Amino acid sequence: AQSVTQPDIHITVSEGASLELRCNYSYGATPYLFWYVQSPGQGLQLLLKYFSGDTLVQGIKGFEAEFKRSQSSFNLRKPSVHWSDAAEYFCAVGGGSNYKLTFGKGTLLTVNP
Amino acid sequence: DGGITQSPKYLFRKEGQNVTLSCEQNLNHDAMYWYRQDPGQGLRLIYYSQIVNDFQKGDIAEGYSVSREKKESFPLTVTSAQKNPTAFYLCASSMEAARGIHGYTFGSGTRLTVV
Repeated sequence: AQSVTQPDIHITVSEGASLELRCNYSYGATPYLFWYVQSPGQGLQLLLKYFSGDTLVQGIKGFEAEFKRSQSSFNLRKPSVHWSDAAEYFCAVGGGSNYKLTFGKGTLLTVNP
Repeated sequence: DGGITQSPKYLFRKEGQNVTLSCEQNLNHDAMYWYRQDPGQGLRLIYYSQIVNDFQKGDIAEGYSVSREKKESFPLTVTSAQKNPTAFYLCASSMEAARGIHGYTFGSGTRLTVV
């Protein structure tokens, strides 16, 4: 069965600092991987996705993520965090004929001024 | 603009009552999904539907029911059998139901509170 682990429940960074959110997945074949962001009381917005090709993918709002098959990871990064990036971030995995996505439990990001 | 509309945004229900959450999409997506979100538990799949007139149980279907009579609509009924219904409910849809490579589009959610 597919699964996603986000090891960090809550991360606090200062505005302007770099950010890396960790995501580890379990999937038996080539995975499709996604990062979503959720502001309080809102739905989820897709930040970026990977399903083939270049293992470094660029997304919206200056985010990027790198797929590392050997480590079963898909970590999200941003060079310089803005206060507006404070939100909850979810990693998800799916793939092949299984269209269902499995989500991690999320990482809450707090940004200090 | 295309998207998913969930209504209402806030819903209050008395114990023992059934309540229906609406989800409508105009994206021409084949598949639709219902998730429940509780603090610290991420998103848990309740039901999903790949095509009209067909749906399958997800991981936590007990106490819930759905219908898919139209491609655009996938309403969720929270029945009185659901023991702890207070939660944030998210509806989503996707194209290419057999692959899902484009990910999901989410609605803005309905917060249900049992009073």
